[in-house]
Amino acid sequence: RKEVEQDPGPFNVPEGATVAFNCTYSNSASQSFFWYRQDCRKEPKLLMSVYSSGNEDGRFTAQLNRASQYISLLIRDSKLSDSATYLCVVLTGGFKTIFGAGTRLFVKA
Amino acid sequence: DAGVIQSPRHEVTEMGQEVTLRCKPISGHNSLFWYRQTMMRGLELLIYFNNNVPIDDSGMPEDRFSAKMPNASFSTLKIQPSEPRDSAVYFCASSPGADEQYFGPGTRLTVT
Repeated sequence: RKEVEQDPGPFNVPEGATVAFNCTYSNSASQSFFWYRQDCRKEPKLLMSVYSSGNEDGRFTAQLNRASQYISLLIRDSKLSDSATYLCVVLTGGFKTIFGAGTRLFVKA
Repeated sequence: DAGVIQSPRHEVTEMGQEVTLRCKPISGHNSLFWYRQTMMRGLELLIYFNNNVPIDDSGMPEDRFSAKMPNASFSTLKIQPSEPRDSAVYFCASSPGADEQYFGPGTRLTVT
């Protein structure tokens, strides 16, 4: 079993749609969680951190469920510019960083 | 502000040659990470440093791979000898702590 697993993509959605991604992690000692975004042939960039209380940044909402060991990302009112690969990231032991394989999102006009 | 700088951006080399990838982290960041990304395996952490000291190199695939960080502003990842299966994009990232990581543009390595 992979340490971090994500929904298989791709997700194809129309503009304005709401889309949700899930990610599960296997190490219960993991302490920090993030969502990164990676555009084609570019480097990953932090989208948002994920806190136990949940957090929201504009159209993006991230949630963490420690009991079930999963995190989620919700994108509301999808834009064409949201098309990218979304990477779930888990930190364990301070610095050990594990990336999920990523979920590709295509937003169509 | 300059972000993480990597060089070269592209490298094409023949099997058996030595390859050296370079990274300059963001000034003031005390953690540095080397990653490899391929279609098959995704983004894999190879090694990370904290305050110039290697903390965990368990992700380094083989003894052919080595990494150094002689000072706070420079790190290298060396592959010797290189093999075609080493072809990938290699990213360097830096972080002010154990949280957000800032990635460089990557080095696209092709070994023929």
